[in-house]
Amino acid sequence: GEDVEQSLFLSVREGDSSVINCTYTDSSSTYLYWYKQEPGAGLQLLTYIFSNMDMKQDQRLTVLLNKKDKHLSLRIADTQTGDSAIYFCAETPGGNMLTFGGGTRLMVKP
Amino acid sequence: GAVVSQHPSWVICKSGTSVKIECRSLDFQATTMFWYRQFPKQSLMLMATSNEGSKATYEQGVEKDKFLINHASLTLSTLTVTSAHPEDSSFYICSARGWGYGYTFGSGTRLTVV
Repeated sequence: GEDVEQSLFLSVREGDSSVINCTYTDSSSTYLYWYKQEPGAGLQLLTYIFSNMDMKQDQRLTVLLNKKDKHLSLRIADTQTGDSAIYFCAETPGGNMLTFGGGTRLMVKP
Repeated sequence: GAVVSQHPSWVICKSGTSVKIECRSLDFQATTMFWYRQFPKQSLMLMATSNEGSKATYEQGVEKDKFLINHASLTLSTLTVTSAHPEDSSFYICSARGWGYGYTFGSGTRLTVV
């Protein structure tokens, strides 16, 4: 299995907040990333956080990083139907390549 | 922002033929290109990493003679699936990284081998 772990599925109602969790393994990762993938498409970078930060907010997105527990989360406020997609967290062990989690499928119900 | 163009978006080929997938960085120089493979409802698996002008470094279990990667220029990398078979059917995604630019992904290529 992947070294980076995510829950498989999350379902929320439109307008609610979504929280997607990720557990990573490499404490030396300088950056941690969140990507969004819509059906049949490539990956879109949503946001990233530097490893010496605890939190980063970017409009509706809030990233929380707990380095002690190697836990990363992505909160999407006021979730919309257009947010339905697969969300991948990724770490950068060794600083060069990305290692992805298994992805969390977010379904937003009207 | 950085843009990576990947072509074709989808391709259907006969078993035994070869298919070439192109990945171009449009507005930056890609010193490193990454090729991933993604099976349905699964995550991205790194196949190989290539630096411009150097031979690609393949991940364990990836056949370098079957998946030929060329990164001859700072804006173009190609992946050729040689003698394709139905089990090679998958979604292939490239990613490029350059000085001052993070990881930018192409839109992916869906390969179906019949």
